[in-house]
Amino acid sequence: EVQLLESGGGLVQPGGSLRLSCAASGFTFKNYAMSWVRQAPGKGLEWVSGIGGSGSVTYYADSVKGRFTISRDNSKNTLYLQMNSLRAEDRAIYHCAKGVAGATSLDSWGQGALVTVSS
Amino acid sequence: EVVLTQSPGTLSLSPGERATLSCRASQSVSSSALAWYQQKPGQAPRLLIYAASSRATGIPDRFSGSGSGTDFTLTISRLEPEDFAVYYCQHFANSPMYTFGQGTKLEIK
Repeated sequence: EVQLLESGGGLVQPGGSLRLSCAASGFTFKNYAMSWVRQAPGKGLEWVSGIGGSGSVTYYADSVKGRFTISRDNSKNTLYLQMNSLRAEDRAIYHCAKGVAGATSLDSWGQGALVTVSS
Repeated sequence: EVVLTQSPGTLSLSPGERATLSCRASQSVSSSALAWYQQKPGQAPRLLIYAASSRATGIPDRFSGSGSGTDFTLTISRLEPEDFAVYYCQHFANSPMYTFGQGTKLEIK
């Protein structure tokens, strides 16, 4: 059974930094692209960032480009999202999600980590 | 960037009825890149349909997807109480990697 467990969420001041982690199990982690998708309270889904299986290719939404960095450690089956220069509008639940082969959709999701940006 | 517009915003139906949810793309897209998700309150999204019409593992056959080009549809043939939720369509591309529609809330009438 695929399991994705996020950690590292919390309260941070505007301009601050936070690193999210996503521990994966139940599949061969290195073989699949992974993504972070966020959801602001009461709002819809917004894709944030994606990374290929080897970690050599990364993608970002314009809203986070230059501020967020996605990475992965395939030896630890763990996905990361380093978030810098956080803004109030970054407040959301951040889900990690596993891409299907070919990455055209996301077939497993974690429950998410809540990030709150407030002074 | 492809923009996905879902309609209606809210759909009020009773158990046993048929639900038809629409997703319209701002330009023609490949069917292989179109997916549907279900999200219940306090839960993560769940993949229902991929490649426009293929059911994901474990999804009941009352859920079906159809469409091509710019118009796609998710149909729930006979609503069960557990089907009342928010539904999102999603498109995959190189950049941005994924775009989502704004969602359709399916509520009990």
